[in-house]
Amino acid sequence: GGIITQTPKFLIGQEGQKLTLKCQQNFNHDTMYWYRQDSGKGLRLIYYSITENDLQKGDLSEGYDASREKKSSFSLTVTSAQKNEMAVFLCASSIEQYFGPGTRLTVL
Amino acid sequence: GDSVTQTEGQVTVSESKSLIINCTYSTTSIAYPNLFWYVRYPGEGLQLLLKVITAGQKGSSRGFEATYNKETTSFHLQKASVQESDSAVYYCALGRGSALGRLHFGAGTQLIVIP
Repeated sequence: GGIITQTPKFLIGQEGQKLTLKCQQNFNHDTMYWYRQDSGKGLRLIYYSITENDLQKGDLSEGYDASREKKSSFSLTVTSAQKNEMAVFLCASSIEQYFGPGTRLTVL
Repeated sequence: GDSVTQTEGQVTVSESKSLIINCTYSTTSIAYPNLFWYVRYPGEGLQLLLKVITAGQKGSSRGFEATYNKETTSFHLQKASVQESDSAVYYCALGRGSALGRLHFGAGTQLIVIP
C-alpha cells in the first residue's frame, strides 16, 4: 500500500514569514490537493494539481503559492504568515482523496 | 455553489445504542453530486468511510450506513449499535467528478461513545 507524508508535522512561524509545507505520495496518483482546516470548521480547498507542473486555485488560494515539480510531491507556501494564525493543513491525493496526517501551523 | 451542513458539533452516545449524525447539502447545480463520509480516529489521518454517487442509493462500511436522499438533500450517517472504538470525528462531504475530485466538507461531528 501507499502512503502520504507531510512535513513538518508542526510548524511555528513569525508574523510576515514565508513558510513552506511539503507533501509526498507514493501511490503514483495524478491529482493532489491542499486543504486548510480551522478549529470547528470543515476543510477548505486551497490549491490542487491534476498532474506534474499543473496548478489550480481552490476557494482559499489568496495568500498561498503552490508547486508541483514532481508527480509525487506537492508543496504549499504561506506567503506571509498572519499573527495568531492557527490551522491544520491537509494534503490529499487522487480523486478518492487519500489524506496525509497534516501539518499544524501556529504563528506567533 | 455547493455546501454541506452538519448541525451537531458533538454527539455523545452510550455503547450499544444507535447513532445518527445529520448531514444536509445545498447545491445550485442541476446535476446530483457525489456524497461522502470521512472519519478521523484519534491520532490518525482523515480516511474515507463510505461514499454514494447515485441519488437514492445507500452506502455502508464498518457497520455504518448512509442513504443519499435527493428529496430532503440529506445524507445522514447511522449505526445501529455503536462501540467505544467508533469515537472519532466524522465529516460529511460533497464532490463532483467533473471537478477532478475537489470536495466541500461539513464542519465535522465529534462522536463520543461512553462505555
